[in-house]
Amino acid sequence: NAGVTQTPKFRILKIGQSMTLQCTQDMNHNYMYWYRQDPGMGLKLIYYSVGAGITDKGEVPNGYNVSRSTTEDFPLRLELAAPSQTSVYFCASNHLGPAETQYFGPGTRLLVL
Amino acid sequence: GQQVMQIPQYQHVQEGEDFTTYCNSSTTLSNIQWYKQRPGGHPVFLIQLVKSGEVKKQKRLTFQFGEAKKNSSLHITATQTTDVGTYFCAGRYNDYKLSFGAGTTVTVRA
Repeated sequence: NAGVTQTPKFRILKIGQSMTLQCTQDMNHNYMYWYRQDPGMGLKLIYYSVGAGITDKGEVPNGYNVSRSTTEDFPLRLELAAPSQTSVYFCASNHLGPAETQYFGPGTRLLVL
Repeated sequence: GQQVMQIPQYQHVQEGEDFTTYCNSSTTLSNIQWYKQRPGGHPVFLIQLVKSGEVKKQKRLTFQFGEAKKNSSLHITATQTTDVGTYFCAGRYNDYKLSFGAGTTVTVRA
C-alpha cells in the first residue's frame, strides 16, 4: 500500500492564480482531511469529508474548496491564491473506531508570491 | 470553541535528561492522540489514549490521560538525538475531527 499520496510536493504560485492540490489514499478510509501548517505552528483543519459526496468546513475554510467524488481522492482547490495561503498542506485519512490512527501524506509546500 | 492547549512550545534538552509536554482541554475529550513530526516531515501517529487515567508506555515514552479526560502528558526519559522533532497532541471531541495542539518542538544538546 502506498498510504496517502500528495502531489505536487512543492509549488510556487503568483497572487490570483489557481491550483488544485491532489490527495489519494489506498486504504479504503472513509474519513479524509486537509490541514495547513504555518511555520512553527500546529495543524489547522481546512476541510474534511466523511465519505464520497460528503464534505464539511473545518476551522479555516475561506479561500479553499474541496470535492469528494470517490473514496480514494480528496482534492483541495485554491481559486485565487493569496500570500496568506503560503503554507504546508497535509492531507490525512483514517477509519473511525478503536484504532483511529490518522495517516498523513508527505505534504505540499506552497509559496504564493 | 473546543481546542487543545499544549505547553511548552519549545523544549531544549541535554542528551540523557527527561522532559514532559502537557496538553489541556477545557472540555472533556473522547480520546487523545499523540503524533511526532520530524523536521521537514509529516506527522506520524504514536499512540491513542481512550480511558480515564490511562497510562501507556512505548520504550522511553510514557503517555498519560487524565482522570477527567481533559488533560494528557507525554514524558520522555533519557532523551536521545533521535527524539528531535515536534510532538503534537490531538484531542477528539464528539465528532469526526481532531483538534491539534500547537506542538512542542524538542531540540537535543549532545
